[in-house]
Amino acid sequence: QVQLQESGPGLVKPSETLSLTCTVSGGSISSYYWSWIRQPPGKGLEWIGYIYYSGSTNYNPSLKSRVAISIDTSKSQFSLRLSSVTAADTAVYYCARDISGPAAGWFDPWGQGTLVTVSS
Amino acid sequence: SYELTQPPSVSVSPGQTASITCSGNKLGDKYVCWYQQKPGQSPVVVIFQDTKRPSGIPERFSGSNSGDTATLTISGTQAMDEADYYCQAWDGNTAVVFGGGTTLTVL
Repeated sequence: QVQLQESGPGLVKPSETLSLTCTVSGGSISSYYWSWIRQPPGKGLEWIGYIYYSGSTNYNPSLKSRVAISIDTSKSQFSLRLSSVTAADTAVYYCARDISGPAAGWFDPWGQGTLVTVSS
Repeated sequence: SYELTQPPSVSVSPGQTASITCSGNKLGDKYVCWYQQKPGQSPVVVIFQDTKRPSGIPERFSGSNSGDTATLTISGTQAMDEADYYCQAWDGNTAVVFGGGTTLTVL
């Protein structure tokens, strides 16, 4: 079965760029949409954006100016970059597979999540 | 931007039926899914495309969606169902939207 694993620094300084990678195992990265979702401590879920295996992307309008998602199908990985971070970007970051795609899709499975703290 | 509204909390007695609502403009025209999240764990889908239940999810979980409201119903609620529940839909074909989440307490 498909498994996702997030990796990257757990601490990022304010104004710097947050970078995370999600590694997909147990299945193909092709033919699916892949998303990043975050959850600030004690709060709800926020979708960040998705990338299709072909490389096309779409982002949450509220984060669009700071977000870039890329994919490396040869490594079965996709990555998140979030620039100019502030304390408000402190959250658990999840990667997830989107079954079915835009307008009808749902997320399954999810990675275990990784906590990223923005602090000097 | 599109918004989904959920009640912050719902309480239910063991064995009774719990209903968690998710409201949005013409939500019935969209597909809705529901996630269960227990403390310290990643969300797990319990209902997708309004009414479908993934394999491994108990039959006591069901969903509906009509008009402006989608509902997650848990029949014969058990203590293990105590968790946060989030609804999710798409804003057109471009953006995913989550509800604010509902904490289900079984007492």
